[in-house]
Amino acid sequence: NAGVTQTPKFQVLKTGQSMTLQCAQDMNHEYMSWYRQDPGMGLRLIHYSVGAGITDQGEVPNGYNVSRSTTEDFPLRLLSAAPSQTSVYFCASSYSHPNYGYTFGSGTRLTVV
Amino acid sequence: RKEVEQDPGPFNVPEGATVAFNCTYSNSASQSFFWYRQDCRKEPKLLMSVYSSGNEDGRFTAQLNRASQYISLLIRDSKLSDSATYLCGYNFNKFYFGSGTKLNVKP
Repeated sequence: NAGVTQTPKFQVLKTGQSMTLQCAQDMNHEYMSWYRQDPGMGLRLIHYSVGAGITDQGEVPNGYNVSRSTTEDFPLRLLSAAPSQTSVYFCASSYSHPNYGYTFGSGTRLTVV
Repeated sequence: RKEVEQDPGPFNVPEGATVAFNCTYSNSASQSFFWYRQDCRKEPKLLMSVYSSGNEDGRFTAQLNRASQYISLLIRDSKLSDSATYLCGYNFNKFYFGSGTKLNVKP
């Protein structure tokens, strides 16, 4: 199994550009989430989904959109990139039962100039 | 109050030492807790799960104290390769993580 796959691994954007970070999992996990991690800081939840067709906001949702049309995919869209969105983005997934931990993708390092 | 709080460290210990980290959580209804290890510039990886009072895996022991709302991670006989940041978290409808505790194991 591939687990959680994120693409691209690295990206440089100009201020105002838009792009989509891709996340796919092949473990049939119901839960999927997007986090951002800034240097020396913890994981901050952007958006999450408890199943196909259901999404909700985390603690830092502004400037980002998500959709969950299938169980496998959970793309994160940056609407108009800003330098403050320079960060490492992690996608994670889990079974819905609370006894299961999250499996993380390897991350996307985004720089907005 | 943050959902999960951790001492950021760093904890600097010699090889072979025993080191313990604590992590406090705010939601008393939480049932499942986790410790993750994160190496520099890498994704967090699940280290241990804690559902009841505790869990042990080799040199690592995780314990849960529901009365005081904290979980702990004990590492015995520290190795250089244990140097990393350790994140704790819990799953209650969504995942809550602490900011991590940095461990440096020195020769």
